[in-house]
Amino acid sequence: NAGVTQTPKFQVLKTGQSMTLQCAQDMNHEYMSWYRQDPGMGLRLIHYSVGAGITDQGEVPNGYNVSRSTTEDFPLRLLSAAPSQTSVYFCASSAFGPQETQYFGPGTRLLVL
Amino acid sequence: SQQGEEDPQALSIQEGENATMNCSYKTSINNLQWYRQNSGRGLVHLILIRSNEREKHSGRLRVTLDTSKKSSSLLITASRAADTASYFCAAYGNNRLAFGKGNQVVVIP
Repeated sequence: NAGVTQTPKFQVLKTGQSMTLQCAQDMNHEYMSWYRQDPGMGLRLIHYSVGAGITDQGEVPNGYNVSRSTTEDFPLRLLSAAPSQTSVYFCASSAFGPQETQYFGPGTRLLVL
Repeated sequence: SQQGEEDPQALSIQEGENATMNCSYKTSINNLQWYRQNSGRGLVHLILIRSNEREKHSGRLRVTLDTSKKSSSLLITASRAADTASYFCAAYGNNRLAFGKGNQVVVIP
């Protein structure tokens, strides 16, 4: 099993550009989530999904969209990148929800100029 | 808002010593999870302790939970250079998992 994979590893964007961060898992997990990690802030939940076709907002959802068309994939879209979105983004999954062990991807480091 | 808060923020110890980190949370929880993050990597789950448990062991790791004080501690015994990492607690309650800011541990060989 590859576990949770994320692409790209690094990305530089200009303000106003859009992009999609990819996340995939091969563990047949129902629950998937996106976090951003900023220095001194820990991890903050952006969006999450409890299954295909179901998504919901987390703590810091503004400026981000998600969809979950399959169990395996949970892409995160930045609609119009802003410097405040410079961060490291982690995707995580678990069998059924946040009450269980979370399996994290390796992260995507994003710089918005 | 985040529930988990680790204390101290940074710890530097000699190889072979024990390292202790504390975590406090604000509201009632169902469980508390500890994760490790090596530099430039994703988080890796270490141990989960349920609200009705007081202590849990996994190899060289020992986690305690005191729900009356809303706090948890992670002890790493006989530390190794490979234990150098950031350690996060995450409090699960009210259907939310809230991560603390992390605790950086440096183990000097």
